[in-house]
Amino acid sequence: QKEVEQDPGPLSVPEGAIVSLNCTYSNSAFQYFMWYRQYSRKGPELLMYTYSSGNKEDGRFTAQVDKSSKYISLFIRDSQPSDSATYLCAMIVDTGRRALTFGSGTRLQVQP
Amino acid sequence: GAVVSQHPSWVICKSGTSVKIECRSLDFQATTMFWYRQFPKQSLMLMATSNEGSKATYEQGVEKDKFLINHASLTLSTLTVTSAHPEDSSFYICSASAAQHGGYGYTFGSGTRLTVV
Repeated sequence: QKEVEQDPGPLSVPEGAIVSLNCTYSNSAFQYFMWYRQYSRKGPELLMYTYSSGNKEDGRFTAQVDKSSKYISLFIRDSQPSDSATYLCAMIVDTGRRALTFGSGTRLQVQP
Repeated sequence: GAVVSQHPSWVICKSGTSVKIECRSLDFQATTMFWYRQFPKQSLMLMATSNEGSKATYEQGVEKDKFLINHASLTLSTLTVTSAHPEDSSFYICSASAAQHGGYGYTFGSGTRLTVV
């Protein structure tokens, strides 16, 4: 069983839709959670990061963490064609010198 | 914000030759650098972790004599793929960590697409 499970998609939605992306994890020691966006043939870019359970909002993006269920989500409101990318969840026990553990990534396609 | 510059963005080389990929942290000192490999439609797979001035720690299954990592300074880390073969063709990405970043301090390079012919 992988430490982090993420539906690979692809997920296709019409422009303006609300998108929900999810990851589950098995290691209860994970404390920090991140969402990255990766365009084709580019490096990942950080979208959101959270530490505690609950919601964190940044513009059209909302990150949600439920540590009791070991479940994290990223919501994208008013999705745009420019949001079409692969979204990777990532998590870590502590920061600094340890590598992130990534989900497999979900490919999102927003249709104009 | 923190920027990691990775070069080249793409390279084609002949089988049996070596290729060097560079990652530079432009505005911060990268105490730790992570090197990943990504195959098409797959997630990032950690290859090795390097701390400045120390030997790199390789993940299981990654040949340290084939993938040479040098982290001689706080702003530069290099990955050299030696005696490259077609199966080494992949997307290689570096990620730098620095204690002074705040947040969670992981910045990624833009990646290098290696094609071995």
